[in-house]
Amino acid sequence: QVQLQESGPGLVKPSETLSLTCTVSGGSISSYYWSWIRQPPGKGLEWIGYSYYSGSTHYNPSLKSRVTISIDTSKNQFSLKLSSVTAADTAVYYCARTVQLGLDPWGQGTLVTVSS
Amino acid sequence: DIVMTQTPLSLSVTPGQPASISCKSSQSLLHSDGKTYLYWYLQKPGQPPQLLIYEVSNRFSGVSDRFSGSGSGTDFTLKISRVEAEDVGVYYCMQSIRLPLTFGQGTRLEIK
Repeated sequence: QVQLQESGPGLVKPSETLSLTCTVSGGSISSYYWSWIRQPPGKGLEWIGYSYYSGSTHYNPSLKSRVTISIDTSKNQFSLKLSSVTAADTAVYYCARTVQLGLDPWGQGTLVTVSS
Repeated sequence: DIVMTQTPLSLSVTPGQPASISCKSSQSLLHSDGKTYLYWYLQKPGQPPQLLIYEVSNRFSGVSDRFSGSGSGTDFTLKISRVEAEDVGVYYCMQSIRLPLTFGQGTRLEIK
């Protein structure tokens, strides 16, 4: 059964770049789309974007100028980079497999706080 | 972007009683392939969202038959036939007919 696990710094300074990695286990990353979603504390869900295993990507226009999602098939991982962060980027960041049936499974999520 | 609007935003239900959540989209979610790309998720406290229903009315693997989805076009409903304590959490609808994927604001279900 496929499992996803996010990893990366829990604290990022304003104006710096947030970097997270999602490790896929129990299955190959080669096939499917792989998404990042975030959830500010106490708020709803925002889809950030996804990458296909081939490397093609699509980003939410609201974040497009600051987001990069990349895939490393050799490590069965995909990554998120969000530049020029502010306090508004403080959130739990989830990775998820994107399939015809929806987003499933999801990682457990990792809280990233933007603060000096 | 397609806007997803859920009502109510919260509901309190007695165990064993039914519950219903509405989700309306700003555009039709019916694709030319005949499928309607509307999903329901439940986020239990402290957990990531979990998929309940896909393409309006199909229960995902392992989901209780107490959950059912219905609707078409722009109007959708999630029903729980008999609420149990384990159903507590926030329910989200989501569309995937058009990027970016967008979610409803969420409906918080609590037990009376």
